Amino acid sequence: DAGVTQSPTHLIKTRGQQVTLRCSPISGHKSVSWYQQVLGQGPQFIFQYYEKEERGRGNFPDRFSARQFPNYSSELNVNALLLGDSALYLCASSHGTLGSTIYFGEGSWLTVV
Amino acid sequence: AQKVTQAQTEISVVEKEDVTLDCVYETRDTTYYLFWYKQPPSGELVFLIRRNSFDEQNEISGRYSWNFQKSTSSFNFTITASQVVDSAVYFCALSETGNDYKLSFGAGTTVTVRA
Repeated sequence: DAGVTQSPTHLIKTRGQQVTLRCSPISGHKSVSWYQQVLGQGPQFIFQYYEKEERGRGNFPDRFSARQFPNYSSELNVNALLLGDSALYLCASSHGTLGSTIYFGEGSWLTVV
Repeated sequence: AQKVTQAQTEISVVEKEDVTLDCVYETRDTTYYLFWYKQPPSGELVFLIRRNSFDEQNEISGRYSWNFQKSTSSFNFTITASQVVDSAVYFCALSETGNDYKLSFGAGTTVTVRA
């Protein structure tokens, strides 16, 4: 079975632009989460969606938004990009229950110039 | 407050040496889960092991083993007979009952295994 897939793999954007990152979870997983990982740090939780509903939100500004589609895939949108948004954005999928193993994709490397 | 602390920033060993990674966590929940992930240079976080708070039995899985001690809130991870392919950043993470939808990660420990 395919793992968590993310696109694009790498992208460069200019300050002020908007970006959309995409994620397809593992088949059978109904929960998708997004994490931001700045160079040299551990991943930070941004959002979780379960059954198309937002279940949790981390400490990120409203410029960050996400949604989950009926097929459980998800998009993360970031508006008005700042230099500090440059990071690896990781998507994770799981069954969504406590203790479920959370599997990660290879991430999308975003560089804001 | 930092929920997961990995005090070791970098560890460098010679191939075939054992490597032990320290992890200390903080939670008020009685039910929680602890994880170890490996992140090679490609960026993907690779799941290694999971342990729940009610199971302190320490296990060995291949070259990996872990030592979970609730009394000291520690969840240490050991790689036995390290190999060059083990070179990566290793993250300890916590999932709590009150926040079961997210993982709280430590800052990571960079392991370099030299041939």
